[in-house]
Amino acid sequence: KQEVTQIPAALSVPEGENLVLNCSFTDSAIYNLQWFRQDPGKGLTSLLLIQSSQREQTSGRLNASLDKSSGRSTLYIAASQPGDSATYLCAVSRANAGKSTFGDGTTLTVKP
Amino acid sequence: NAGVTQTPKFQVLKTGQSMTLQCAQDMNHEYMSWYRQDPGMGLRLIHYSVGAGITDQGEVPNGYNVSRSTTEDFPLRLLSAAPSQTSVYFCASSSGVRLLNTEAFFGQGTRLTVV
Repeated sequence: KQEVTQIPAALSVPEGENLVLNCSFTDSAIYNLQWFRQDPGKGLTSLLLIQSSQREQTSGRLNASLDKSSGRSTLYIAASQPGDSATYLCAVSRANAGKSTFGDGTTLTVKP
Repeated sequence: NAGVTQTPKFQVLKTGQSMTLQCAQDMNHEYMSWYRQDPGMGLRLIHYSVGAGITDQGEVPNGYNVSRSTTEDFPLRLLSAAPSQTSVYFCASSSGVRLLNTEAFFGQGTRLTVV
């Protein structure tokens, strides 16, 4: 059974800092991986999608990398802002199954 | 585009009552799914559909029914509400046959309390 772990569960940083969020998964036979953002009381918003054949994706200040062999993905946020405060979740889908597995998320607080 | 629309946003039910959570998407997505989100347990898949007329069970299907008569709509029915079904419910959709095939879209959620 695929398990997805995100460490740390919570992170607090001062504004302007660069930071890395971690996502690890137990089964490397994934189809693709997606990072999401969730604001309190809201639904999830997709940030970056990495196909299994890719190693990274970038969108603005966000960069996500994928290392299937080690079962890890990282989300790098450059020059963090208070508006980046949210919970960040990663999710993976297996190559031979229609179901996706989500991590519990990392709650990020960026202090002004 | 409206994206994924869920109604209602909040609902309180008495134990034993039934109700339907509505989900509609206007992106012509084949894949639609229902998740529940509980503190400490993350997002868990209830049911999913890869197209009109096709549904399948997820991790926690007991106590819930779904149907997919159109591409746009994917309602979730609670047959006889129990306090254990108190949760936040999310509908999600994407193109293709997996949630993560392409960019996944989530609704704003329905916060359900069963008393």
